[in-house]
Amino acid sequence: AQSVSQHNHHVILSEAASLELGCNYSYGGTVNLFWYVQYPGQHLQLLLKYFSGDPLVKGIKGFEAEFIKSKFSFNLRKPSVQWSDTAEYFCAVNSDTGRRALTFGSGTRLQVQP
Amino acid sequence: NAGVTQTPKFQVLKTGQSMTLQCAQDMNHEYMSWYRQDPGMGLRLIHYSVGAGITDQGEVPNGYNVSRSTTEDFPLRLLSAAPSQTSVYFCASSYSDSGPYEQYFGPGTRLTVT
Repeated sequence: AQSVSQHNHHVILSEAASLELGCNYSYGGTVNLFWYVQYPGQHLQLLLKYFSGDPLVKGIKGFEAEFIKSKFSFNLRKPSVQWSDTAEYFCAVNSDTGRRALTFGSGTRLQVQP
Repeated sequence: NAGVTQTPKFQVLKTGQSMTLQCAQDMNHEYMSWYRQDPGMGLRLIHYSVGAGITDQGEVPNGYNVSRSTTEDFPLRLLSAAPSQTSVYFCASSYSDSGPYEQYFGPGTRLTVT
């Protein structure tokens, strides 16, 4: 069965600091990868996704992620965070084309201090 | 479009009570699913459906039932509530022929079982 690991459970940054959140998955075949964000009191929103092609994908709000197949990783990055980026971030993977369900990581809570 | 809607937003149940969490989408998505979100565990799949009349179990199906009589609706039934079912429940949907399998999430239902 596939699994997703997010190693950073709680990250605290100051505004303008750079961000990198780790995500590793365990599945040897073709994968679709996602990062979702959940702002306080809100539902999950898609930040970005990777299916094929350029392994560096850009999403909304200045976020990007790089798929490194050899490392089974899909880390999320942002060069300069803002206070409004305070949220919980979830990495997710889908690797079963017959079942569209996502397997989620445990999430990383990001707190950006002004 | 309203997207994915869920009712109620909040619910408190006593142990042993039953209830139905409602989920509806107006995007004509064939695929729908239910997740529960617990602290430190990300989202876990409860049940899913690939179309009207077709449902299947996810990762944590015990204590829950689903049915899918229409494309739009996918209710989740708690048969006999237990404190372990205290959680936030999210419904999601996606296009039937979407390669990316991007899922759209509802706002969630926060359930407390006492």
